[in-house]
Amino acid sequence: GENVEQHPSTLSVQEGDSAVIKCTYSDSASNYFPWYKQELGKGPQLIIDIRSNVGEKKDQRIAVTLNKTAKHFSLHITETQPEDSAVYFCAALPPRETGFQKLVFGTGTRLLVSP
Amino acid sequence: DGGITQSPKYLFRKEGQNVTLSCEQNLNHDAMYWYRQDPGQGLRLIYYSQIVNDFQKGDIAEGYSVSREKKESFPLTVTSAQKNPTAFYLCATGRGLAGGYTFGSGTRLTVV
Repeated sequence: GENVEQHPSTLSVQEGDSAVIKCTYSDSASNYFPWYKQELGKGPQLIIDIRSNVGEKKDQRIAVTLNKTAKHFSLHITETQPEDSAVYFCAALPPRETGFQKLVFGTGTRLLVSP
Repeated sequence: DGGITQSPKYLFRKEGQNVTLSCEQNLNHDAMYWYRQDPGQGLRLIYYSQIVNDFQKGDIAEGYSVSREKKESFPLTVTSAQKNPTAFYLCATGRGLAGGYTFGSGTRLTVV
């Protein structure tokens, strides 16, 4: 089955710097890759996603890139702010089994942005 | 205002007790999921359901039970057989063609 690895597990940056979180996946047929942000004591929130027919997607300070050949995708946050501090999860969606979708999650990256 | 409601936000359980965590959604999503999250850890799938009256075990189903009598509701019971139930529990719904999940705000369960 699909396996998603996420690195680094923790990332500390200064306010204004860029942050990059990387994920690799094993199933080349996976076709959807969301990123979630989880603030302390809250549920994860979808912040950006990308489908397998697209190489890059941007939303203001956040971007995601996908390299299907290498089977990896990355989250890029520019001009980081203290409110970006959270745990970020990547995920991959393998081909549907009997019409049912089940995301496979990475282990999470704790991002700390220092003022 | 569509969304997922998990209740209660905090729950305390005595040893040997069963407790039920509520998850209600008005997003009209078919699929629903329960995840467990331990401090500093990732998400582990407990149970999931595609349609009413049907559900499947996830990776860590032992000591848990669920029901899906209505599309809107997917309650999780933590039984006394779950030896280490203290954790943060997250309910999610599947967004269908839009992809991915929508998560609730979670229930923090503590054994006292």
